[in-house]
Amino acid sequence: DADVTQTPRNRITKTGKRIMLECSQTKGHDRMYWYRQDPGLGLRLIYYSFDVKDINKGEISDGYSVSRQAQAKFSLSLESAIPNQTALYFCATSDPALGDNEQFFGPGTRLTVL
Amino acid sequence: QQQVKQSPQSLIVQKGGISIINCAYENTAFDYFPWYQQFPGKGPALLIAIRPDVSEKKEGRFTISFNKSAKQFSLHIMDSQPGDSATYFCAASLNDYKLSFGAGTTVTVRA
Repeated sequence: DADVTQTPRNRITKTGKRIMLECSQTKGHDRMYWYRQDPGLGLRLIYYSFDVKDINKGEISDGYSVSRQAQAKFSLSLESAIPNQTALYFCATSDPALGDNEQFFGPGTRLTVL
Repeated sequence: QQQVKQSPQSLIVQKGGISIINCAYENTAFDYFPWYQQFPGKGPALLIAIRPDVSEKKEGRFTISFNKSAKQFSLHIMDSQPGDSATYFCAASLNDYKLSFGAGTTVTVRA
């Protein structure tokens, strides 16, 4: 969805490196999420933010940190990347004022940690 | 431990056939059950969703069947088309809160 953008789209890095994945949205939604997708495991929530000052851990937050720089921007960092963090990462947004919990996903970032 | 269990992992169906994907959940407090569709290289997108106060919801060729007592829900794709080939995820949430996703089902529709 062009309203939610992620950069970079692909990244190869080495073990121990710090890496940041960025997410921007033009939908005006307060809620933003970071997920990772692994084959056979579906999407698992890493962190979520209900507004700029409200950031919460998801089910698999160990090894990750986030920053909500503005309503429109939510970044995910891997302080010291390890190979089992190789995955597809998705950012998503939602607005419960729409009357439902539909989440709008970005195109994803494919991260490979060597 | 996944709160939503999805099966099968993959399925192949002939064009015009019916695809059925099943999900089961444990938390009886869940109150929103969406299905997301994901094409290769794309992020998931909402396909159809249901609340537990109804047993069935239909949108075009896609139908959700919901069985509250069994804590199960399923997606039926009628008259499957090659363009339906994608990965489908069921999910559940509570109070419009964060979603718990199933593991996904890859559907392949053969022409």
